[in-house]
Order: sequence, then structure tokens, then C-alpha cells
Amino acid sequence: DSGVTQTPKHLITATGQRVTLRCSPRSGDLSVYWYQQSLDQGLQFLIQYYNGEERAKGNILERFSAQQFPDLHSELNLSSLELGDSALYFCASSSRVDQEVYEQYFGPGTRLTVT
Amino acid sequence: SQQGEEDPQALSIQEGENATMNCSYKTSINNLQWYRQNSGRGLVHLILIRSNEREKHSGRLRVTLDTSKKSSSLLITASRAADTASYFCATFRGADGLTFGKGTHLIIQP
Repeated sequence: DSGVTQTPKHLITATGQRVTLRCSPRSGDLSVYWYQQSLDQGLQFLIQYYNGEERAKGNILERFSAQQFPDLHSELNLSSLELGDSALYFCASSSRVDQEVYEQYFGPGTRLTVT
Repeated sequence: SQQGEEDPQALSIQEGENATMNCSYKTSINNLQWYRQNSGRGLVHLILIRSNEREKHSGRLRVTLDTSKKSSSLLITASRAADTASYFCATFRGADGLTFGKGTHLIIQP
């Protein structure tokens, strides 16, 4: 158990809908990362937050947005969903955000299926 | 885009044998990390090697890094059935999140 929790575990929704994925980082970790894992694209970094502020952006679509709240939990919002958004979405946390080395702790993921 | 590319894509060996996976990457890095993923589950951090290190050990794991060739290898010695999983290399350049390769699927035959 990494200490990172994600809800829900599974989500099935229709095209055009909007969903919110939730992540609670490990106790004490200030940095949260979101990743998308699909068969064709592999594991892609989406976005990073550190102590409530957006820190880095990866391959995140404009239809997707995220935020980190004062209690450090984070939410990833996916809107106008398309079939291609079906994927596993992982949240990871880390205690550091600087340029030095660090490891990330991954949650169990949310499997999103868009029908 | 993928930074790392693992090779082979899939590997099947007998229990007790050693497994070697390779990873190549494209740009300069701060560090390179290896993660394991059991089917459909979260990733587990295995080992991290800094750009100024050449080799690192952790239990049955040995990682090498050759920055001149932009490549790394992960060796798992004395493999066990529980090692069956996908293994990913990931690079960190200091500005973004981790950039992952497509992974090597390792199957340990009993």
C-alpha cells in the first residue's frame, strides 16, 4: 500500500459527459501528479501540483483540468468525454518538487470507460 | 511523447533465471527510475539511479546507467513467480513529471 488513495476505482460514463477523479496523497506529501495510461499512448504525464499551485503541465488536453485543495487532495476533471479518453488514470505523490532526485508513490488508479 | 523505450517488449523466462531489461532515452536527465506494475494496478517504485551514477543495487535488482549511450538496464537475479509484471523505466529532467517508456512485460514460468 503506497498510502495514496484514489476514488472511484471504476467509472463508466457516456461520451460528452464530465467526470471528476479524486486523489489523496500520502500523508505529508505536498506534490501531486496525474498520469494517464492507455494501450496506445502508454503512460503519459498530465499535470503536477505542489502545495495548491500548478507546477508543471504535460500532455493534458484543454478539456481536462485539475486542482489541489488546501487539504492537499487533488481532483482531475475530465469534460466532453470522448471514447479515446478511456484509460487508467493514476495519481502519484511526492514529498519534493525541486530539481533533486525523488521517487513518486502511485495510487491504485481509476479505470475510466467511456461508452 | 515517450522518452524511454524498453527492450524487449516482452520476456518469458524460467523461475530462477536472471531477467535483463533495457531502456533507451533521448534527452539529458537528472535521474532514471524503474517501476513495476502488476496487471492493471498502480506502479511501484523499484530503484532510482542518478545521472552521475553508473551502477546501483537493491536486493535482487541491479541497475546500470550509461549516459553517453543514453541507456539503462535492469537486471533481476534469481527470478520468482511474483516478479511477473510489467517494468517501466522513467526519466526525470527536473521540470516535469516522469516520462515513461512503454514497458517490458516479464513472465516468470514456474
